[in-house]
Amino acid sequence: GAGVSQTPSNKVTEKGKYVELRCDPISGHTALYWYRQSLGQGPEFLIYFQGTGAADDSGLPNDRFFAVRPEGSVSTLKIQRTERGDSAVYLCASSSDPYNEQFFGPGTRLTVL
Amino acid sequence: GQNIDQPTEMTATEGAIVQINCTYQTSGFNGLFWYQQHAGEAPTFLSYNVLDGLEEKGRFSSFLSRSKGYSYLLLKELQMKDSASYLCAVRVLYGQNFVFGPGTRLSVLP
Repeated sequence: GAGVSQTPSNKVTEKGKYVELRCDPISGHTALYWYRQSLGQGPEFLIYFQGTGAADDSGLPNDRFFAVRPEGSVSTLKIQRTERGDSAVYLCASSSDPYNEQFFGPGTRLTVL
Repeated sequence: GQNIDQPTEMTATEGAIVQINCTYQTSGFNGLFWYQQHAGEAPTFLSYNVLDGLEEKGRFSSFLSRSKGYSYLLLKELQMKDSASYLCAVRVLYGQNFVFGPGTRLSVLP
């Protein structure tokens, strides 16, 4: 079946702009995670959804970052007033339940000029 | 705080065996995962340990000692395609808050 998909694959924006990154998890997966990864580093946890609710958003760096998953499937990560330090690859992962391994999407490479 | 340490880089020869170590200090522990990540691609799952001991899966094995906060990934019969970064990740709480290490970049030479 289809894996995790993310759109866009690349996003270039200017400092101060608003961006939305989309994640389509594997069908039926209830757990969904957002990470960001800088070059040469491991993924950094941002937020975890179980169903529609954000079960753990402790990784969101500040209130410019927000994520939703209104119907328990597709999720959108929203970043307001982007800064150059937000440039990274944003990875989404899903799993059938929190005890199972995560399947990662290809990521969205965000560049803030 | 949460801390996971891995060697930054390792080099090995095709056909050889390599062991990649991971040490962790986290506020909780509910499983340790190893992922492989080729350059420019997403991580893919390799193995999972929640109890002490060795888990074997083909050419890959992973070991865990919870009392020592230590794990290793063992790769046998190395192939050129094994050149990648290997990420150690700890699930700190049930379903939540995975903490990833910085990754170990493995280069397999002919």
